[in-house]
Amino acid sequence: AQTVTQSQPEMSVQEAETVTLSCTYDTSESDYYLFWYKQPPSRQMILVIRQEAYKQQNATENRFSVNFQKAAKSFSLKISDSQLGDAAMYFCAYGLGNQFYFGTGTSLTVIP
Amino acid sequence: EADIYQTPRYLVIGTGKKITLECSQTMGHDKMYWYQQDPGMELHLIHYSYGVNSTEKGDLSSESTVSRIRTEHFPLTLESARPSHTSQYLCASSGDSSTDTQYFGPGTRLTVL
Repeated sequence: AQTVTQSQPEMSVQEAETVTLSCTYDTSESDYYLFWYKQPPSRQMILVIRQEAYKQQNATENRFSVNFQKAAKSFSLKISDSQLGDAAMYFCAYGLGNQFYFGTGTSLTVIP
Repeated sequence: EADIYQTPRYLVIGTGKKITLECSQTMGHDKMYWYQQDPGMELHLIHYSYGVNSTEKGDLSSESTVSRIRTEHFPLTLESARPSHTSQYLCASSGDSSTDTQYFGPGTRLTVL
């Protein structure tokens, strides 16, 4: 079965600094999708970034970028120039067909 | 933010009551999902639907039921609430691609006393 592991329950970063959140997954498939979702306190979960496994180029969305290492089954999220509004739970997810598998989340604190 | 709505946002109810959690989306998505989320735990899929009159149980065993009579509406019902049902329930929808991004509602925080 597919599993997604986020080994950092909590992380903190100084405002304007860079932080990297880790995610590993287990699969025997070759074509799948990976996602990072952000869930601010008491607010809606929203998509941060998405990566197709068949693409070698790492996805980027403004200050958010990923380091996708397919052979290592690793999918880390880098947040550059951290802002107070980045404070949230971040969930890594693996998607194949209609099935999604989520990690347990990393709680990110941004220190002013 | 995506156009997917859940009501109520918060619900406190006594044991044995019947409750329905509402979920609606205005994006015309065929696929809809219900997840259960507990603090420090991953999201667990409890029900999903690929379209009208199509519903399936997810990986997590649940005593709830769902219906999909209209594309935009995917309510979840608990016939007899118990304290073990206390959790956050998230509804999501996605488009027609094989693995499309899921868009989430704001969630319903359910407490059963």
